[in-house]
Amino acid sequence: EDQVTQSPEALRLQEGESSSLNCSYTVSGLRGLFWYRQDPGKGPEFLFTLYSAGEEKEKERLKATLTKKESFLHITAPKPEDSATYLCAVQVGNTPLVFGKGTRLSVIA
Amino acid sequence: DVKVTQSSRYLVKRTGEKVFLECVQDMDHENMFWYRQDPGLGLRLIYFSYDVKMKEKGDIPEGYSVSREKKERFSLILESASTNQTSMYLCASSAGGSTQPQHFGDGTRLSIL
Repeated sequence: EDQVTQSPEALRLQEGESSSLNCSYTVSGLRGLFWYRQDPGKGPEFLFTLYSAGEEKEKERLKATLTKKESFLHITAPKPEDSATYLCAVQVGNTPLVFGKGTRLSVIA
Repeated sequence: DVKVTQSSRYLVKRTGEKVFLECVQDMDHENMFWYRQDPGLGLRLIYFSYDVKMKEKGDIPEGYSVSREKKERFSLILESASTNQTSMYLCASSAGGSTQPQHFGDGTRLSIL
């Protein structure tokens, strides 16, 4: 049973077309939710950590939000260089991160 | 910036060989992790270590072992490589204490023929 589910699996956007990626989780006792970006052939690159419901973090065109059951990664006016796979992961207690399977984003010029 | 270095980007080995994958981090992190990443399956945790000479099994430890003799180095060992171990292998490290992000290397794409 998946503890972390990301949707959609793949998303294709026109340049400038804003959208959101979803990460829902079913764990209890969340200590932190992490967002990563992964380019083809490379390791995941850390973007944000969110610790509690209501928290928001921003970086350039990306904004991450957190509720008690899910997190959204909002992408405002994306550019082709935002194309990547976006991964979310949750930490419960002192256990290692549990990763979702990612959303593959393509931004077309 | 945190630097996690994996010794090889690409590696080709034969079935039955003993394979060593090396990972070094330069930020004095307590925690280190080994994952494999396969299409449709996402990242799966093989082993992790919270301190020198300590190791813990992850979700898929079968067929693998690890070694952590020094704080900065974490090695993954495929005892007798098999074709189903063909995969992308990713190493990560994180600081100890409260919730800290993991920082990843660029991976080793391992092919077992």
